[in-house]
Amino acid sequence: DAKTTQPNSMESNEEEPVHLPCNHSTISGTDYIHWYRQLPSQGPEYVIHGLTSNVNNRMASLAIAEDRKSSTLILHRATLRDAAVYYCILRTAQGGSEKLVFGKGTKLTVNP
Amino acid sequence: NAGVTQTPKFRVLKTGQSMTLLCAQDMNHEYMYWYRQDPGMGLRLIHYSVGEGTTAKGEVPDGYNVSRLKKQNFLLGLESAAPSQTSVYFCASSYSVAGTEAFFGQGTRLTVV
Repeated sequence: DAKTTQPNSMESNEEEPVHLPCNHSTISGTDYIHWYRQLPSQGPEYVIHGLTSNVNNRMASLAIAEDRKSSTLILHRATLRDAAVYYCILRTAQGGSEKLVFGKGTKLTVNP
Repeated sequence: NAGVTQTPKFRVLKTGQSMTLLCAQDMNHEYMYWYRQDPGMGLRLIHYSVGEGTTAKGEVPDGYNVSRLKKQNFLLGLESAAPSQTSVYFCASSYSVAGTEAFFGQGTRLTVV
C-alpha cells in the first residue's frame, strides 16, 4: 500500500487559515487522496477527497500537487472546533479499494 | 438514517473472558472494517470484509476473529481477552469505490482487567 507522511503536530490561531501537508511520493495513478479528522473522544469523520484536481466542500479545500506526490488540506478559517487529529490516506481504485489504512495523522491545535 | 452503530459503547472484561462487538450499518455498504486505537495512537486495522461471507486480516489480527453473515453486520470477537486488548474499537463501512467516503461508528471502549 502506498504510504503517506504527515507532520506529527501543527498549531494555528482561531480564524486564521490552516494548511495541513501530506506527502505521498509513491502514489499510483488510480489512488484517491482522502482526508479524515478525529475530534477528541469521537470516531473519525470524512473531510474531503480528490484524485487529480483541487476540490472544495463546505468543510475544507484540498489542493493536490501537479505530480500528485503531495497534497494540502486547507481550513480557510480555523475555529476551536477544528482542533482534531487529521489523517491523510490513500484509497486505491486498482485491485479493489478494500484496504483503508491510517497513519498517525497530524494533531492540530487551535489557539483562541 | 442511523449510519454506523456499535454495540456496546463500554465494556469491562476479566482476563480470559470472551465477548463479541457488533457493528451495524444501514447504508448497504459492501466494505466493513474493525480498528483499534490505543492512547495517543492512530487507528490500526484489525480485520475487514469486502462483502457478505468474506473477511480478511488487517495489520493487527491476532487475538481477534470476525464474521459477516449478513451484509449489514460485522462482528468482532475476542475469544480469550487479554489486558493488551484494552483499547477503543472503531467500526467503519464504505461502498466498494475508492472515490467514496467511509463512515465510522462512535467507538467501543473496552477494558480488560
